[in-house]
Amino acid sequence: DTEVTQTPKHLVMGMTNKKSLKCEQHMGHRAMYWYKQKAKKPPELMFVYSYEKLSINESVPSRFSPECPNSSLLNLHLHALQPEDSALYLCASSQSRDASFNEKLFFGSGTQLSVL
Amino acid sequence: GNSVTQMEGPVTLSEEAFLTINCTYTATGYPSLFWYVQYPGEGLQLLLKATKADDKGSNKGFEATYRKETTSFHLEKGSVQVSDSAVYFCALSAGGYQKVTFGIGTKLQVIP
Repeated sequence: DTEVTQTPKHLVMGMTNKKSLKCEQHMGHRAMYWYKQKAKKPPELMFVYSYEKLSINESVPSRFSPECPNSSLLNLHLHALQPEDSALYLCASSQSRDASFNEKLFFGSGTQLSVL
Repeated sequence: GNSVTQMEGPVTLSEEAFLTINCTYTATGYPSLFWYVQYPGEGLQLLLKATKADDKGSNKGFEATYRKETTSFHLEKGSVQVSDSAVYFCALSAGGYQKVTFGIGTKLQVIP
């Protein structure tokens, strides 16, 4: 299994809603990532988890709250989002055997989020 | 800081034409370089990579050579197909810890 699975594929939410994005991989990867991609732009790193611990937070607003319950799962909890947060949210994973080894990322197909 | 510059698209080619997408980078240390491809409605997939100077990455007929002297990693393919239509991202990873920097992406459209 070489897939990163993200659910839901599409999400529409109001600014007062609370929702969660989910990501799952069964490749034994120990690093997992959230990226945000606006239309016609490159992905921008939001968070990195390594061995279930948050290792990088790219100064993301607190209305985005990541969670890594175990080595296979990664969640992104959303609360009080703004319309400008509408984007494609991509999850990725990598093996992370060695922090100095620049490894490839395996991406999910993303959740297209619309905030009304 | 690290940065990746790639040519703005879109690039429109006829089937079987030669493809070049330019990519240059700025990085501290010795980065690894990547090309990722994103098909419509999907996430990114690694196309090829190179981890040191003069390495050539290749996959599915695509090639790119890591040129340290010109800080470049241009993507080439000898004969494109309609199925190659996608957005191509040049990227680098430097200093460990998987902090990948992406270029802006180049949309390729191949017409029959």
